[in-house]
Amino acid sequence: AQTVTQSQPEMSVQEAETVTLSCTYDTSESDYYLFWYKQPPSRQMILVIRQEAYKQQNATENRFSVNFQKAAKSFSLKISDSQLGDAAMYFCAYRSALSGNTPLVFGKGTRLSVIA
Amino acid sequence: DAGVTQSPTHLIKTRGQQVTLRCSPKSGHDTVSWYQQALGQGPQFIFQYYEEEERQRGNFPDRFSGHQFPNYSSELNVNALLLGDSALYLCASSFFPDMGSGNTIYFGEGSWLTVV
Repeated sequence: AQTVTQSQPEMSVQEAETVTLSCTYDTSESDYYLFWYKQPPSRQMILVIRQEAYKQQNATENRFSVNFQKAAKSFSLKISDSQLGDAAMYFCAYRSALSGNTPLVFGKGTRLSVIA
Repeated sequence: DAGVTQSPTHLIKTRGQQVTLRCSPKSGHDTVSWYQQALGQGPQFIFQYYEEEERQRGNFPDRFSGHQFPNYSSELNVNALLLGDSALYLCASSFFPDMGSGNTIYFGEGSWLTVV
């Protein structure tokens, strides 16, 4: 079974600074997807960024980028120019690509605080 | 275009009782998945419904059951409630097959269940 580990229960960052959230995962599969989700107090999971395992290029979405190290099974999220609205729980998630609609496997999350 | 809607938002039940949670998927989606998110944890996959059948199931006891209706909406039923069932229950919808990309998974805001 796949597992996802987020070793930082809480992180904080000054507004406009950069922060990196860590995630490691364990799998024996070669084809999969990795995601970062944001969960604000409204509780709705919002997709931040995704990475296909077969792509070597790291994904980028505006201020959000990832550092995907497949051999090390590491998938960190970098948030640049942090904003107050970035404060939330962040979850790293894994999804098998063996077939469609496989479930997401989540880590325990990292609570990010942004200091004005 | 309404996203994923869940009801009720909050509810309190007594140990041993039964509860039903409801989910309406995003328009155009035909697959519904349920996740349980205990306090301080990441969401855990309960099961997935497509074409009114349970297609995949996570590591949850038979006390957890579900149903999908012809209009794709879904119910999650939990019997013989335990204190440990207290959690946020998230519904996620997608279309089948989504080929694992994750871009089309939409989450609702969840139903907070407290068992006393």
